[in-house]
Formats: sequence, structure tokens, C-alpha cells
Amino acid sequence: QKEVEQNSGPLSVPEGAIASLNCTYSDRVSQSFFWYRQYSGKSPELIMSIYSNGDKEDGRFTAQLNKASQYVSLLIRDSQPSDSATYLCAVTLNDYKLSFGAGTTVTVRA
Amino acid sequence: SAVISQKPSRDICQRGTSLTIQCQVDSQVTMMFWYRQQPGQSLTLIATANQGSEATYESGFVIDKFPISRPNLTFSTLTVSNMSPEDSSIYLCSVEDRSETVFGYTFGSGTRLTVV
Repeated sequence: QKEVEQNSGPLSVPEGAIASLNCTYSDRVSQSFFWYRQYSGKSPELIMSIYSNGDKEDGRFTAQLNKASQYVSLLIRDSQPSDSATYLCAVTLNDYKLSFGAGTTVTVRA
Repeated sequence: SAVISQKPSRDICQRGTSLTIQCQVDSQVTMMFWYRQQPGQSLTLIATANQGSEATYESGFVIDKFPISRPNLTFSTLTVSNMSPEDSSIYLCSVEDRSETVFGYTFGSGTRLTVV
């Protein structure tokens, strides 16, 4: 079983819609969870981090964490063409090492 | 947040040769991380580099192939040795980035390596 799994995508949404990205992880002791955005040819950029159960909102982004279900998600509201990218879910293992999911490619249609 | 300068940004190398990638951070950090991103794939951790000690390698990566130096708290190098076409990837360094409001990991701009 992979340590971090994401819905495979690709995900295509119309401009203005909500894009929903899901991620599950296998290590119950994982403490920190991150969503990165990676544009083609660029390095990953941190957009959200979450550590506690519940929701965390930052602008158009909302991260949701459920440690009991070992599940973390990212919602992108009012999706814009500039949101078109690959979104990577990452989870810390052993306190400091990041393990990444395979990524979900999102395309926002104008 | 931390700013990482990584170079070279890209290179095309002959098989059997070696390439050294450098990362310079604008602040002192305890750990630096080296990742590989193969074409169309996600990031895989190669090793963790601590200043003053041997790097810790992940399963599938060995020091002879990917020697790492960490001479001080702001700098590290990764060498890809005896390269083959299978080493064609993007290599990225990363550091933990903590402030009062943000905790995450910042990445360098990456080195796109093509081995011919």
C-alpha cells in the first residue's frame, strides 16, 4: 500500500466551479499534512498546511483533515484558469520526512 | 519564508559522467532534503542531509551514486555519479520552513537533468 494516495484525475472543472481533491494516507502517526501546487516545469509551491482535525480556510482554498479516517482534502472555490496545475498531497513521516502522493492534475476550463 | 538558490537549472550530460547540484539557503537550517522527480511522476526523497554528519539515504538510493555534502548550515550539494539515461529527472532540494504563522517545506527551483 502506498503511503499517500490521491484521486488520480485528471480533473477538469469549469471556471467558477469548485474543484475537490482527495488524499488518504497509511501512517496513523502522521502529524502534518500539506498541499502543494506545481505548475508545469516549476517546483512545488506550498498552498496549505493543516495539523488538526477539521477545516482550514485560506482565501479560495479549504483544507479538511480527518485523522480517524486518515483522509485529507483540498477544495478550490471559484476555480480560475490560473489554478490549472498539478496538486500534490504530502504527509510528514517520522516528524520531518515528507511523503508525496502521485498528484492530481487540475484543468480549469474558461 | 526561506529562499533557496539552486543551480544549475538544467543540464544535458553524457552518460558515465557526473553532475554536482548546489543549493544555497538564505538562512541556517538543520536539515536539507534532496528529491528526485522523474518525468510525469511525483517527488521521491533521495536523502536527508545534516550538517556535520553523513547523509541519511532512503531505500533505493546509495551514497556511491548520490554523494551529498553539507559543509555548513546554509549549503549542500548532491552529485549524480556515473550517469545513465535513467537518471534523467528533475532534482530538487528542500528545507523545513517555520515561522510563527507558517510551517511547511520550501523547494529550490529544481535542476532538470537530461542524460544522453
